[in-house]
This record gives sequence, C-alpha cells and structure tokens, in this order.
Amino acid sequence: QKEVEQDPGPLSVPEGAIVSLNCTYSNSAFQYFMWYRQYSRKGPELLMYTYSSGNKEDGRFTAQVDKSSKYISLFIRDSQPSDSATYLCAMPGGGADGLTFGKGTHLIIQP
Amino acid sequence: DTEVTQTPKHLVMGMTNKKSLKCEQHMGHRAMYWYKQKAKKPPELMFVYSYEKLSINESVPSRFSPECPNSSLLNLHLHALQPEDSALYLCASSQTLTEAFFGQGTRLTVV
Repeated sequence: QKEVEQDPGPLSVPEGAIVSLNCTYSNSAFQYFMWYRQYSRKGPELLMYTYSSGNKEDGRFTAQVDKSSKYISLFIRDSQPSDSATYLCAMPGGGADGLTFGKGTHLIIQP
Repeated sequence: DTEVTQTPKHLVMGMTNKKSLKCEQHMGHRAMYWYKQKAKKPPELMFVYSYEKLSINESVPSRFSPECPNSSLLNLHLHALQPEDSALYLCASSQTLTEAFFGQGTRLTVV
C-alpha cells in the first residue's frame, strides 16, 4: 500500500461547480498536509497547508483534514477554467526529509 | 518573495555531454531539494541539502552529482545521461517542514 493515495482523474466539472479533491494516507506520522497546484510544464505552486484536523479557508479554497480517518480534502468553490490543472497533495516526513506526494488529480473546468 | 529560480528552462544534451542545472533562492531557507518529475507522475525526491550539507541521496545514479556552493545556490551536474533521464527537474527550498517552494523546473531532453 502506497503511503499516499490520490485518484489521478481526470475530473471534469462545469464552470462554477464546487470541486472536491481528496487524498488518503496510511502513515500516522504525517502531521502537516499540503496542496499544490501544477499547470502543464510548470513547477508545483503551494496553495495551502494545514496542521491539525479541521478546516482552513483561503479565498475560494478550503482544505480539510480528518486525522482519525487519515483523509484530507481540498474544496474549490466557484470553479473557473483557470483552475484547470493537476492538484497534488503532499506530506512532509515519511521515508525521507522531503515531501511524499500523491499521484495528483488532473482537474478540467469546462467553460 | 517566495521565488525559486531555475536555469536553464530547457536543455537538450547528448549522452556524452556534461551540463549543469542551477537553482537560486533568496528566502534564507535552510533546506534545498532536487526532484525529478516524469510526465503524468508526481515529483520524486533525489537529493536534500540541509544547512549546505547533503543529508539525503535517494539512491540516485552517480551520473547525477549535486553541489551546494552556498546557502542560496544549488547545482545539479549531469554527465553521461541516458534517454530515460529525460524529465522535468525541479528545485525546491523550505525553512520548515510545513511548506516547500518549487522553481519552474528545467525540462531536460537527453538525445
């Protein structure tokens, strides 16, 4: 079992919809949880990070962590075509002093 | 300023060439990283420098040689690469485990 599981998609939704992106993890040692957005042929861009269970909001983005279920989510409200990208969840720790990434979910927002 | 600058943006090299990738950050971050990313895959950790000392080498072949001349600079020296080494090479930096900032990457093609 991989340490971080994420559905690669693609996930296609109409403009204006609420998008839900999810990851599950198996390593209880993970304490911090990050979401990155990556446009094609660009480097990952840090969107949000959270530490504890609960919600964290930043504009149209909400990150949610449920440590008891080892489940994290990223919600995007009022989705825009410019949100079309690959979204990667990431957690520091695990087997190395770097980030353990999920596979990334390819999101397509249809105009 | 959360910028990590990588040069060059694109590189084509032959299997007998020697080339170097460069990375620079001026955020005072203690740790710098090299990741390799193949198409439709998440970034994979290659090397970690912490306080200018190599702390992690994820079993990377010796044809990849990292160097950290000072706290702001990170190089990746390439020699005798194979076509399967063609990928997006990403540099990142972080001060804590909670967030890592990535550069835009160098797209490397080995011919």
